Amino acid sequence: DTAVSQTPKYLVTQMGNDKSIKCEQNLGHDTMYWYKQDSKKFLKIMFSYNNKELIINETVPNRFSPKSPDKAHLNLHINSLELGDSAVYFCASSPDGANTDTQYFGPGTRLTVL
Amino acid sequence: KNEVEQSPQNLTAQEGEFITINCSYSVGISALHWLQQHPGGGIVSLFMLSSGKKKHGRLIATINIQEKHSSLHITASHPRDSAVYICAVLTQGGSEKLVFGKGTKLTVNP
Repeated sequence: DTAVSQTPKYLVTQMGNDKSIKCEQNLGHDTMYWYKQDSKKFLKIMFSYNNKELIINETVPNRFSPKSPDKAHLNLHINSLELGDSAVYFCASSPDGANTDTQYFGPGTRLTVL
Repeated sequence: KNEVEQSPQNLTAQEGEFITINCSYSVGISALHWLQQHPGGGIVSLFMLSSGKKKHGRLIATINIQEKHSSLHITASHPRDSAVYICAVLTQGGSEKLVFGKGTKLTVNP
């Protein structure tokens, strides 16, 4: 009965590969987000989706692309992985698109690029 | 200078102490979040504030919009409160964005 789930929890891959991280929420929320937490534990928002519409893109490299097959899922696809992509990626969701609601976070995916 | 500043960066307390973590911001906001990140990495959203004060159990969050300042208080602190507490503001304006502080690492000793 996990509210926001992410898979995988850990991902180790070689530089140059393409990988995806999946996120699912069973809360019926309208908005989902992806965050990157760097080695200094600093959180940065990457994307948010409201009813399949991208509403925030925080100037992340275009190697990162969010894909939302339906309201309950927001997957993060990363092309041509680089060493600097190593980080913990968190997915979150909130009830509506106002972005002022409490956000519910997934457990995080630790990506290591070798 | 970061748009969101938290203080202190690190805080060590004894069990039972009253704890205050501060957050100041320099931009117009429509809301402010307090998040808690546990040592294992999981993040929990504690509060979302746009004015006044909210209370949940031993946690109290206040915000003063005029002074651009928010505080998170923990009463009767416990070792399980040990975590990183992060303040994040939703900025106003044509392009809303969520800006995070660098976090306050709290350690509560038994």
